[in-house]
Amino acid sequence: DAKTTQPNSMESNEEEPVHLPCNHSTISGTDYIHWYRQLPSQGPEYVIHGLTSNVNNRMASLAIAEDRKSSTLILHRATLRDAAVYYCILHLTGRRALTFGSGTRLQVQP
Amino acid sequence: GAGVSQSPRYKVAKRGQDVALRCDPISGHVSLFWYQQALGQGPEFLTYFQNEAQLDKSGLPSDRFFAERPEGSVSTLKIQRTQQEDSAVYLCASSHGTGREKLFFGSGTQLSVL
Repeated sequence: DAKTTQPNSMESNEEEPVHLPCNHSTISGTDYIHWYRQLPSQGPEYVIHGLTSNVNNRMASLAIAEDRKSSTLILHRATLRDAAVYYCILHLTGRRALTFGSGTRLQVQP
Repeated sequence: GAGVSQSPRYKVAKRGQDVALRCDPISGHVSLFWYQQALGQGPEFLTYFQNEAQLDKSGLPSDRFFAERPEGSVSTLKIQRTQQEDSAVYLCASSHGTGREKLFFGSGTQLSVL
């Protein structure tokens, strides 16, 4: 399975932007990049996904490198409620299930 | 309800007992997934249903684990003769179609085997 690499943890201050990096050097041309987050005591929650172009939605932005070997999830103004584990996942061609890694634990300081 | 519902929220079992965990997906969702999440780890895939058909059970750790979705809606994950290593949060997720669209997860069932 194609693998992603993320920092174990990151810290941010409230109301500042946060850039969460992800490396996926073995990505194939038709693999989608998905981001989910998991708040304490809850199931994972979809954040955003993309293939080649940068994507924006109400929660975040996804910046994808031109060679697609890395991507960055951008939270424009972190709030305390954004403290969670963020998972960067490759949704592989021909595979229905998502394969989660260990994710990045984001702490947001007031 | 609008989301994926799982019950019970917490389950304590004595080693050797059988348990059944229930998942109510979002109405009309074709795909249903079960995941197992150990403490401090990311979720690990167990099995996948498309309607009532179990198309992938490659993640089930042993033949003590059994899942069904007989009418293509509610699903049950059954664990026979539970062992301490089965202690984990069991997550259910559903999606509308069969492509690579987003998954909606329930809050999970936390199973503790004593």
